[in-house]
Amino acid sequence: GAVVSQHPSRVICKSGTSVKIECRSLDFQATTMFWYRQFPKQSLMLMATSNEGSKATYEQGVEKDKFLINHASLTLSTLTVTSAHPEDSSFYICSVGQNTDTQYFGPGTRLTVL
Amino acid sequence: GDSVTQMEGPVTLSEEAFLTINCTYTATGYPSLFWYVQYPGEGLQLLLKATKADDKGSNKGFEATYRKETTSFHLEKGSVQVSDSAVYFCALVDVTGGGNKLTFGTGTQLKVEL
Repeated sequence: GAVVSQHPSRVICKSGTSVKIECRSLDFQATTMFWYRQFPKQSLMLMATSNEGSKATYEQGVEKDKFLINHASLTLSTLTVTSAHPEDSSFYICSVGQNTDTQYFGPGTRLTVL
Repeated sequence: GDSVTQMEGPVTLSEEAFLTINCTYTATGYPSLFWYVQYPGEGLQLLLKATKADDKGSNKGFEATYRKETTSFHLEKGSVQVSDSAVYFCALVDVTGGGNKLTFGTGTQLKVEL
């Protein structure tokens, strides 16, 4: 399967600042990447589908101006949490879509907003 | 819409015990079914998958059979190890309409003790 990396693995920031999380597909050219958010002891919630060279498709209830997604190349998608607040603290996970049904996940980024 | 229901955890077993984690689904089309595993502090890893009725997915001693008549995809392992302690997520993708969006269950935590 595809190998996916995320950077950073952990980040702590102050309230009001912006944080960028990178998701890289290391061995597969990914036209589609997905961004998820996971709260403690809960399932993954799909935030948006990132398409290379076009705008991301956001799920209902996800603020596109707060969670900026850029998928400028076939190996890199970024998620920027703008003006972060403590309620944005979470585990953010990206995945790469391979074939029509299988996704391979990155190791996740733990965001803590103070 | 599509949904996945998993048994609630945590499930606590002794090493070498038999494991079953129940998973049922509802889908409007003909989904592909997955089990993902999440070890502490890590992202999700694909454990196994099945794409059509009566298919059996297997990996690392784990098995699950796609049962269309009961809309189930229960995960089993004959003899668990301490290293199997993790959270297990059942998921589906309904590719009938060309979609590739994963729908996850809430996850079941497995604890294996010596």
